[in-house]
Amino acid sequence: DGGITQSPKYLFRKEGQNVTLSCEQNLNHDAMYWYRQDPGQGLRLIYYSQIVNDFQKGDIAEGYSVSREKKESFPLTVTSAQKNPTAFYLCASSVRDPTDTQYFGPGTRLTVL
Amino acid sequence: GENVEQHPSTLSVQEGDSAVIKCTYSDSASNYFPWYKQELGKRPQLIIDIRSNVGEKKDQRIAVTLNKTAKHFSLHITETQPEDSAVYFCAATPFMGTSYGKLTFGQGTILTVHP
Repeated sequence: DGGITQSPKYLFRKEGQNVTLSCEQNLNHDAMYWYRQDPGQGLRLIYYSQIVNDFQKGDIAEGYSVSREKKESFPLTVTSAQKNPTAFYLCASSVRDPTDTQYFGPGTRLTVL
Repeated sequence: GENVEQHPSTLSVQEGDSAVIKCTYSDSASNYFPWYKQELGKRPQLIIDIRSNVGEKKDQRIAVTLNKTAKHFSLHITETQPEDSAVYFCAATPFMGTSYGKLTFGQGTILTVHP
């Protein structure tokens, strides 16, 4: 579990502001993922990346952006275009692809004021 | 794309009883089916998974069964203990098609084991 970290744990943002959530892993995993967790809706995939400098949209990518400049890092930016950004955000990584075990970070709880 | 339905949304059992959670999926190309447990305030953790070339897998008190024809899979927990209380998520991912590379989760089941 300690191999994947997210910061900050809690984040407050004013409407209209962009905010970036950090995700770092030292597991030497190729694949990284961002999920959003809302009560009663499970985990929904925002973006995923299977290799450096490449990433794909998940099911709810609108209003979010990512980058993958380093293998260890996969930051998520929540833009002002995201209509309902208040949620719990989870980052995960796996060795190569989704059929490998995904290891989750501790999450960031974002609240838009 | 893939769609995963999970039932029930809440499950309450007495300690020592068995618990069963069921999931159905829509994409016949799905071939990997993990189950995650998320305790209150903690991150999800993989507890068991199954691939489409097997019908059942067991790990101590936990087992998963897969019926590819009917496109459903189930989690079975025997001799439940209070520490089994958590939210359980099923998921599925295909090896090809538009959903390739994505793990689609069910909505989750809140399991409560009463001492």
